[in-house]
Amino acid sequence: GQNIDQPTEMTATEGAIVQINCTYQTSGFNGLFWYQQHAGEAPTFLSYNVLDGLEEKGRFSSFLSRSKGYSYLLLKELQMKDSASYLCAVMDSNYQLIWGAGTKLIIKP
Amino acid sequence: IAGITQAPTSQILAAGRRMTLRCTQDMRHNAMYWYRQDLGLGLRLIHYSNTAGTTGKGEVPDGYSVSRANTDDFPLTLASAVPSQTSVYFCASGPGTQSTDTQYFGPGTRLTVL
Repeated sequence: GQNIDQPTEMTATEGAIVQINCTYQTSGFNGLFWYQQHAGEAPTFLSYNVLDGLEEKGRFSSFLSRSKGYSYLLLKELQMKDSASYLCAVMDSNYQLIWGAGTKLIIKP
Repeated sequence: IAGITQAPTSQILAAGRRMTLRCTQDMRHNAMYWYRQDLGLGLRLIHYSNTAGTTGKGEVPDGYSVSRANTDDFPLTLASAVPSQTSVYFCASGPGTQSTDTQYFGPGTRLTVL
């Protein structure tokens, strides 16, 4: 079967750094996506990785290791507005997205 | 530019009733998707359409049907609603089905079936 695993919830302090991990087992791999979802809102795109390594976008970075079936999302200089759920999704061999259950990130002052 | 719109925003429905959730996009995207999101579970694909005139079944298609008569609209119909269909429904669209094509989501419809 196909499986995406992420921690259910994480807590971090404003101004700090947090790393959200995602491991996956899917039938085929055509890229990994990270989305942000604020409570009661739609998911919005954050990042995409298809090759091994780190992709940086401002305060957010995403890393991929295809051999390990592993990715992480790194958030720096945390702000209160970063409190949200972070969804990891893998595009499988049929070019469909398989989604993790999401990690709820709580930022404390 | 509106992007993707969904209607209604929320709905309470009696079991056994028929319901159509509407989704419209103005980005001329080829691909459209319907997902449901339940607490503790990831988004699950119900149906998809890679281009106007074609549709396909996702992970959880039973009890749902879709049509794609044109590029912009992708309605989802529950023929006879059951309580297990209580969920938040998201419509999404994307330029195509290439690996780099990001999906863009509508604001969602919160459906309660009693």
